[in-house]
Amino acid sequence: DGGITQSPKYLFRKEGQNVTLSCEQNLNHDAMYWYRQDPGQGLRLIYYSQIVNDFQKGDIAEGYSVSREKKESFPLTVTSAQKNPTAFYLCASSTGQGGGQPQHFGDGTRLSIL
Amino acid sequence: GDSVTQMEGPVTLSEEAFLTINCTYTATGYPSLFWYVQYPGEGLQLLLKATKADDKGSNKGFEATYRKETTSFHLEKGSVQVSDSAVYFCALTSWGTALIFGKGTTLSVSS
Repeated sequence: DGGITQSPKYLFRKEGQNVTLSCEQNLNHDAMYWYRQDPGQGLRLIYYSQIVNDFQKGDIAEGYSVSREKKESFPLTVTSAQKNPTAFYLCASSTGQGGGQPQHFGDGTRLSIL
Repeated sequence: GDSVTQMEGPVTLSEEAFLTINCTYTATGYPSLFWYVQYPGEGLQLLLKATKADDKGSNKGFEATYRKETTSFHLEKGSVQVSDSAVYFCALTSWGTALIFGKGTTLSVSS
């Protein structure tokens, strides 16, 4: 079955450490997205990519970095510059064609500080 | 910029009650509108969508109608079940850009 796989499900970060969250999709979608979810705040866009080797900052990109070397993969690195990284991170993808295409979501990664 | 406002929860209902979750939006163009549902510890699942004015999206007994005149996309269900307990998000996108979400409404249904 096609879908989006995020790993790991739970991740712990030590002070000063960078961590990378994995997102893989086999839906042949061009566009991929990373969102951060905090209680009571809905989802906020971190980065998105509409095509391989290109990506754009979202609303809260500071302290995060991404790469898009392959169509299927869009890893997110939470750097030590992100001072409040504890959150639920969701990856999504879509065909990117036109305005009516829904996004498909992975099951998320919960990141916590040790 | 574009934005979505949905009613704050939690919404607490008894089984078989009628559900309405209000959602209004602000957009400069002609957005597509979505309702997503999130069960505990999981990602978001698309519940329904509408891409133009007066379209009605429906799925699993849930319905929402795209009302351009009132800039609204209210979610309704005639008879809720315990299994409908989840967080519901209203969202919009214009021209294939990233989704803009409301803050979510928690629904709790008791038997």
